[in-house]
Amino acid sequence: SAVISQKPSRDICQRGTSLTIQCQVDSQVTMMFWYRQQPGQSLTLIATANQGSEATYESGFVIDKFPISRPNLTFSTLTVSNMSPEDSSIYLCSGQRLAGGTDTQYFGPGTRLTVL
Amino acid sequence: QKEVEQNSGPLSVPEGAIASLNCTYSDRGSQSFFWYRQYSGKSPELIMFIYSNGDKEDGRFTAQLNKASQYVSLLIRDSQPSDSATYLCAVNAPNTGNQFYFGTGTSLTVIP
Repeated sequence: SAVISQKPSRDICQRGTSLTIQCQVDSQVTMMFWYRQQPGQSLTLIATANQGSEATYESGFVIDKFPISRPNLTFSTLTVSNMSPEDSSIYLCSGQRLAGGTDTQYFGPGTRLTVL
Repeated sequence: QKEVEQNSGPLSVPEGAIASLNCTYSDRGSQSFFWYRQYSGKSPELIMFIYSNGDKEDGRFTAQLNKASQYVSLLIRDSQPSDSATYLCAVNAPNTGNQFYFGTGTSLTVIP
């Protein structure tokens, strides 16, 4: 498996503010991703965090709203900007590494965000 | 067209029975297939993966892959109440930048 930590584990924020979520992975991880999981829903990929360059965003997600950094191989941040209640969700960081002959993704514990 | 499809359930089985979870995928170029378990309020946890046709067993879990039918399943033998969770199927398609595509999950309840 992979060791992945995330903080904060949860937060309650006011509308219009921003929150930065941190993710730390072990050194065997090659790729890092950020997902959102809304209540009762499956995972939605926000972006691939690229080391030292701009993240690759999926359709429907933009850098101004979800700026992502990955300054080195093992650390990434996701900021949720100018939050609204619709941003209330669980945000998950994942790390991908080679395991058992195939690239495998492992998830951090998640950040539960509530926007009032 | 959804990349990965699962029956959302809920699926209920009695304790000790075999639970069968199914998943179909659309991309014939998919190479690796994963099953994750997610307890309520927790993050997904990898159970097992498979990339060759046939069966792969790990303890009480067996993954089955049929690439011709684009079908992957997870069997849980001797189901326990602690197996009650949502099970996510995921597919890795290298021709799309190694992205993982997740199904919507199947909710499983094991009744004591």
